[in-house]
Amino acid sequence: QSALTQPPSASGSPGQSVTISCTGTSSDVGAYNYVSWYQQHPGKAPKLMIYEVNKHPSGIPDRFSGSKSGNTASLTVSGLQAEDEADYYCSSFAGSNNLAVFGGGTKLTVL
Amino acid sequence: EVHLVESGGGLVQPGGSLRLSCAASGFTFSDFWMNWVRQAPGKGLECVAKIKQDGSQKDYVDSVRGRFTISRDNAKNSVYLQMNSLRAEDTAVYYCARDVPLSGRGGFDFWGPGTMVTVSS
Repeated sequence: QSALTQPPSASGSPGQSVTISCTGTSSDVGAYNYVSWYQQHPGKAPKLMIYEVNKHPSGIPDRFSGSKSGNTASLTVSGLQAEDEADYYCSSFAGSNNLAVFGGGTKLTVL
Repeated sequence: EVHLVESGGGLVQPGGSLRLSCAASGFTFSDFWMNWVRQAPGKGLECVAKIKQDGSQKDYVDSVRGRFTISRDNAKNSVYLQMNSLRAEDTAVYYCARDVPLSGRGGFDFWGPGTMVTVSS
């Protein structure tokens, strides 16, 4: 059982927007602005898409955006493209063990 | 260009040991927190250990504390994971991952390709 809760699946058509939620507790998501989002294609290593709630690593398009409200963080993918189809994982710093904890992942399908 | 490459995975019997290595290049290794993250087949991600820039702080997930030891050699630009008393549930791809600058609180901006560890008799 993962520490953070994500919907198992999400979908959208090309050009549309989709939002993936990530629910934690007041000990992780709610306590820190250290929420990250990762994209993982099959057989590949995860790729950082968003860190510290809403910051973009170099090379990540603005189509990917992050936000947080209370114990829930969200990743929004705008202008969906075929290559966005992948698994997405959220994570948050957790003070209890001083490590990052992850959600169970959301499979994003581009219809 | 940043590169991380893991090695040392393989098949080991329950109760056995393995030592994973991660060789880093393309950045000032001693400036960054480093992490080991694993992914069991068909499952999600789990951060199992992390180590501070100078090795003075090490943190572990409860399921591996006392069995796994993370270490680093800044002169060799490498981080290691010594895994003892291995169990079937440790079977996973193990990734080496770098923390974003000045963090130590997650946000893994570079990952290696991973090394597979299989614990089975």
